[in-house]
Amino acid sequence: DAKTTQPNSMESNEEEPVHLPCNHSTISGTDYIHWYRQLPSQGPEYVIHGLTSNVNNRMASLAIAEDRKSSTLILHRATLRDAAVYYCILPPGAGSYQLTFGKGTKLSVIP
Amino acid sequence: DAGVTQSPTHLIKTRGQHVTLRCSPISGHKSVSWYQQVLGQGPQFIFQYYEKEERGRGNFPDRFSARQFPNYSSELNVNALLLGDSALYLCASSSTGYRSYEQYFGPGTRLTVT
Repeated sequence: DAKTTQPNSMESNEEEPVHLPCNHSTISGTDYIHWYRQLPSQGPEYVIHGLTSNVNNRMASLAIAEDRKSSTLILHRATLRDAAVYYCILPPGAGSYQLTFGKGTKLSVIP
Repeated sequence: DAGVTQSPTHLIKTRGQHVTLRCSPISGHKSVSWYQQVLGQGPQFIFQYYEKEERGRGNFPDRFSARQFPNYSSELNVNALLLGDSALYLCASSSTGYRSYEQYFGPGTRLTVT
């Protein structure tokens, strides 16, 4: 399975943008990059996914490097509710259906 | 619309006992996956079921088993409980089985083994 590397933790001030990086140097050409987040005492929540071009939805934006070896999840204005663990996930190999979560990045938002 | 529901929310069991956890997927979702999350770690995949068939199994011992019912709800069973089985057990549903990575998670069942 392709591996991802994320910082253990990050901090952001409320109302400021947050850029959460993820390295995935072994990504294959057809792998989608997925992001999930887990708020305290809740199950993980799907955030966004993308393949090559940048993607936007109501929750966040996903910027994917041209060589696809890294990506960045962008929260445009962090709120206290965005404090969570953010997971960058690549799909499993052919014939597998699981999501493989690493330790993720714990985002703290400072009021 | 109701999200994924799990029961019970909390459970305390003794070593050696058996436990059954239940999950109801989002209406219309035919795929259910189970994950174990130990404190401080990301969720670890246990099983996926699609249309009542097992489609994937993670690296867990045979003490763990699951099944999916005709209404797509699912049960996770764990036999001969160990202290190390204490964890949050998460259920996730998705609309299709094959390569469906947009999964919707329930709040989990917190299992404590003493």
